[in-house]
Amino acid sequence: EAGVAQSPRYKIIEKRQSVAFWCNPISGHATLYWYQQILGQGPKLLIQFQNNGVVDDSQLPKDRFSAERLKGVDSTLKIQPAKLEDSAVYLCASSTLPSLFLSTDTQYFGPGTRLTVL
Amino acid sequence: AQTVTQSQPEMSVQEAETVTLSCTYDTSESDYYLFWYKQPPSRQMILVIRQEAYKQQNATENRFSVNFQKAAKSFSLKISDSQLGDAAMYFCAYRVISNFGNEKLTFGTGTRLTIIP
Repeated sequence: EAGVAQSPRYKIIEKRQSVAFWCNPISGHATLYWYQQILGQGPKLLIQFQNNGVVDDSQLPKDRFSAERLKGVDSTLKIQPAKLEDSAVYLCASSTLPSLFLSTDTQYFGPGTRLTVL
Repeated sequence: AQTVTQSQPEMSVQEAETVTLSCTYDTSESDYYLFWYKQPPSRQMILVIRQEAYKQQNATENRFSVNFQKAAKSFSLKISDSQLGDAAMYFCAYRVISNFGNEKLTFGTGTRLTIIP
């Protein structure tokens, strides 16, 4: 079974530029998550999709960050314009869990994209 | 709000020895799950072990086991027979199942584990 795919693996940009990250979840996984991991910290959820609908975007800085999941499969996360404090690893994860079922479903993570803003 | 605390920024252990990583959490929920994830330098988060809060029995996966103390809100990870490949950042994580289907993970700040050959 193929894992969660992310691209690019690395990106270096100047502040005020824009950048986009791509994620392809595990086939059949309904739920997709974007996390931001700043150096020395644990990942923090930015946004959660269930199919192509947003479940939680309460910690997404909406003035500069946007995300979409068209057709309920792939997802893109965009930053425009980027700030120095956006330097981090952006992790995508997916899981099979629909909200109605209690289960021990697990989130599977991709390799992440390391963003450096200069 | 739920919080997860890992009080050991760094730990080291001799190869083949046993090490325990600590984690405490704060929640008012009764139904939740706890996880330990491993993050090697490749950055990919890999699930090590998980524990359902309603289960009294501690989870075990090969050389990895947990000590889950629900009343104390403590969830430590024990690694037995440590191997060089165990070297990584280890994150404790908490997840609640909410009425709105929000299953976000709340992570601790991590413990860097070094294996001494």
